[in-house]
Amino acid sequence: DAKTTQPPSMDCAEGRAANLPCNHSTISGNEYVYWYRQIHSQGPQYIIHGLKNNETNEMASLIITEDRKSSTLILPHATLRDTAVYYCIVRVRASGTYKYIFGTGTRLKVLA
Amino acid sequence: DTAVSQTPKYLVTQMGNDKSIKCEQNLGHDTMYWYKQDSKKFLKIMFSYNNKELIINETVPNRFSPKSPDKAHLNLHINSLELGDSAVYFCASSLRLSGGKGEKLFFGSGTQLSVL
Repeated sequence: DAKTTQPPSMDCAEGRAANLPCNHSTISGNEYVYWYRQIHSQGPQYIIHGLKNNETNEMASLIITEDRKSSTLILPHATLRDTAVYYCIVRVRASGTYKYIFGTGTRLKVLA
Repeated sequence: DTAVSQTPKYLVTQMGNDKSIKCEQNLGHDTMYWYKQDSKKFLKIMFSYNNKELIINETVPNRFSPKSPDKAHLNLHINSLELGDSAVYFCASSLRLSGGKGEKLFFGSGTQLSVL
């Protein structure tokens, strides 16, 4: 019951911006979009999240379209350490709390 | 002083055995979760607890029984292990951010369970 679709894999040259797209066409008005990444088999690591405005932090930028049906995660200067699986997630309300519905992720490979 | 810690990191056992995975968070969070990651790397929520109370149970077989003795701990006990239970199990906890800005999930490093 994933609410997001992502390309299975992408390559990016080291030092260039990595733009990772995500479609979430069935997102509801109060559901946040989150991005996490998983390096090897470590626990997923938080990157950024947003509701409708674009967001930026020390790791990345998140661009959400005006209709909120898609978003793009931007790693401005990709390094080899950014090689990981990137998950676009919709947080939905459930049973008085929230569920994070993970998609299948994009495997990003940063090339030297 | 790892924020969310799980033990053991690796667990190899025979079919039919009973095993437990422990999780502790020292972040003062109220909500804790168990996620299962299968061989295709798909992460799926299993359980969620808030202040020791079960609030989400994603139709997981009742061989899986989570227990939360206090809000800093959420353990997972699995009875009569089956081959299909082989996976990586992640514990997580969440913090509600102020100003209605959502919340963040913090994950442990995972427990790789192999059922032979």
